[in-house]
Amino acid sequence: GAGVSQSPSNKVTEKGKDVELRCDPISGHTALYWYRQSLGQGLEFLIYFQGNSAPDKSGLPSDRFSAERTGGSVSTLTIQRTQQEDSAVYLCASKRGSDTQYFGPGTRLTVL
Amino acid sequence: EDQVTQSPEALRLQEGESSSLNCSYTVSGLRGLFWYRQDPGKGPEFLFTLYSAGEEKEKERLKATLTKKESFLHITAPKPEDSATYLCAVQVDNDMRFGAGTRLTVKP
Repeated sequence: GAGVSQSPSNKVTEKGKDVELRCDPISGHTALYWYRQSLGQGLEFLIYFQGNSAPDKSGLPSDRFSAERTGGSVSTLTIQRTQQEDSAVYLCASKRGSDTQYFGPGTRLTVL
Repeated sequence: EDQVTQSPEALRLQEGESSSLNCSYTVSGLRGLFWYRQDPGKGPEFLFTLYSAGEEKEKERLKATLTKKESFLHITAPKPEDSATYLCAVQVDNDMRFGAGTRLTVKP
């Protein structure tokens, strides 16, 4: 595809359930980022993958959050036992080398 | 602590009324300052990258400038289609630190 894609575009879940958010980066981009954007807030860095290196998980807000990147391409962000404060837009971005980051459209997560 | 602050939070302009958005930053080891445009319900769209003080970049009605402490996004004769949230970000090590954005509305 021409750009970063994310699915689902919207996800509504009940408090306490687990959710998985998917990101398909641009082909050939070795770096992949996850961000969280709460209403009226700037983007909050969550996790960064670069090639086969160990991911930088320094932005994950709690151990309920985890992410994987399989085969250096598709990434899944998992949130376990969701809480209402997890409601936000989750954005994925990818880049190649020192190039700029290109963002996907985001997944809007609503926890009831 | 690394910080990125954008002002104003919101800006309303009449079509054709030029103005500037500000992004001030306090980071160690700046590796790049980025401007993005974000429309409602969409991901940020890349506009510019600036790397060193004094650098300027232009695209249509937008011009971005950089000093050692801040960046400005100048909008000349804006049109309604320029209405969006403009995000500033600085590259620090592996991640980017984003400001909260300036929500621009251009009235016809």
